[in-house]
Amino acid sequence: KQEVTQIPAALSVPEGENLVLNCSFTDSAIYNLQWFRQDPGKGLTSLLLIQSSQREQTSGRLNASLDKSSGRSTLYIAASQPGDSATYLCAVFVGGGKLQFGAGTQVVVTP
Amino acid sequence: DAGVIQSPRHEVTEMGQEVTLRCKPISGHNSLFWYRQTMMRGLELLIYFNNNVPIDDSGMPEDRFSAKMPNASFSTLKIQPSEPRDSAVYFCASRLGGAGTGELFFGEGSRLTVL
Repeated sequence: KQEVTQIPAALSVPEGENLVLNCSFTDSAIYNLQWFRQDPGKGLTSLLLIQSSQREQTSGRLNASLDKSSGRSTLYIAASQPGDSATYLCAVFVGGGKLQFGAGTQVVVTP
Repeated sequence: DAGVIQSPRHEVTEMGQEVTLRCKPISGHNSLFWYRQTMMRGLELLIYFNNNVPIDDSGMPEDRFSAKMPNASFSTLKIQPSEPRDSAVYFCASRLGGAGTGELFFGEGSRLTVL
């Protein structure tokens, strides 16, 4: 069974620092991996989708890498801002169209 | 695009009552998912549909839960009878694609409280 782990569970950084969020998965047979952010009381907002054939994906200040062989993905957020405070979740698509989620990393960016 | 639309946003009901949650997926998407989120268990997949057909309902907790997708633009999740332990946020999500290709988009969720 695919297991997705996100460490650390919580992270606090001062504004302007780069954020590095980690996601690991146990089975490398994935179709793709998706990063989301969730604000309190809100739904999940898609940030980046990386297909299994890709090594990385970029959108603005966000960059996500994927290393299937080692079962890891990393989300980088450059020059963090207080508005980046949220919970970040990664999810991998496994067989049958299912998405397996990690528990998330709660990020606080202090002014 | 209006995104995934869920209703109601909040529902408070008493134990034993029937609850119906509704979802309108993004137009053109052919896969629809129902998730439940709690502090204790995180996000749990309840059921997902592909081309309006239920593909996997192994996450549905028990017979009190049922889901339908009568057409490509509408789905319901019903709980009858409801119990306090059903209190959670229920999310609907949709995507375009087959086994694992498309980006998944979530609705804002329906927060259910069963007293």
